Amino acid sequence: AQSVTQLDSQVPVFEEAPVELRCNYSSSVSVYLFWYVQYPNQGLQLLLKYLSGSTLVKGINGFEAEFNKSQTSFHLRKPSVHISDTAEYFCAVREDAGGTSYGKLTFGQGTILTVHP
Amino acid sequence: DAMVIQNPRYQVTQFGKPVTLSCSQTLNHNVMYWYQQKSSQAPKLLFHYYDKDFNNEADTPDNFQSRRPNTSFCFLDIRSPGLGDAAMYLCATSRDQRAYNEQFFGPGTRLTVL
Repeated sequence: AQSVTQLDSQVPVFEEAPVELRCNYSSSVSVYLFWYVQYPNQGLQLLLKYLSGSTLVKGINGFEAEFNKSQTSFHLRKPSVHISDTAEYFCAVREDAGGTSYGKLTFGQGTILTVHP
Repeated sequence: DAMVIQNPRYQVTQFGKPVTLSCSQTLNHNVMYWYQQKSSQAPKLLFHYYDKDFNNEADTPDNFQSRRPNTSFCFLDIRSPGLGDAAMYLCATSRDQRAYNEQFFGPGTRLTVL
């Protein structure tokens, strides 16, 4: 069964500084990887996803993530954060069960990013 | 804009009093999901519908039920809410069950149980 570990529960950072939110996963089969952002009292919004191809994927709001198969990681990065990036970030993995078979989306525990002025 | 809508955004109920949460979508997606998210925790899948086929997660309590009368609407019924059922309930949709398809989330309904 797949699992996701987000290594930091909280990450404080100053505005315009770079940030990395770490995510590791475990699975015995091929996976698809996602990062979602959740603002207070809101639903989840997709930031980016890795399906195949280039291991560096770019998403919305200037975020990017790199898939590293050997290290089973999918860390999220942004070179310069804004106050408005303050939110909770969830890494998620879904196993490729093949065809139209259902693969459950499994979330990590979340990382709260707080950007200070 | 195509979207996932949840009503109400905030729901207060009493211990043991049945409550229904509503989700609708204009994306015409085949799959609809219900997640429970407790404070400072990851979303936890309760069940999902693939078209009219209902798929329950093994650890979802019997207290939680769902209905999908048509493609656009899906309801979450909590028959006898307990204090432990206070949470944010998230509805999501996807085009089909294939793993690479993105799930689109609604804004959530925050349930308070008094």
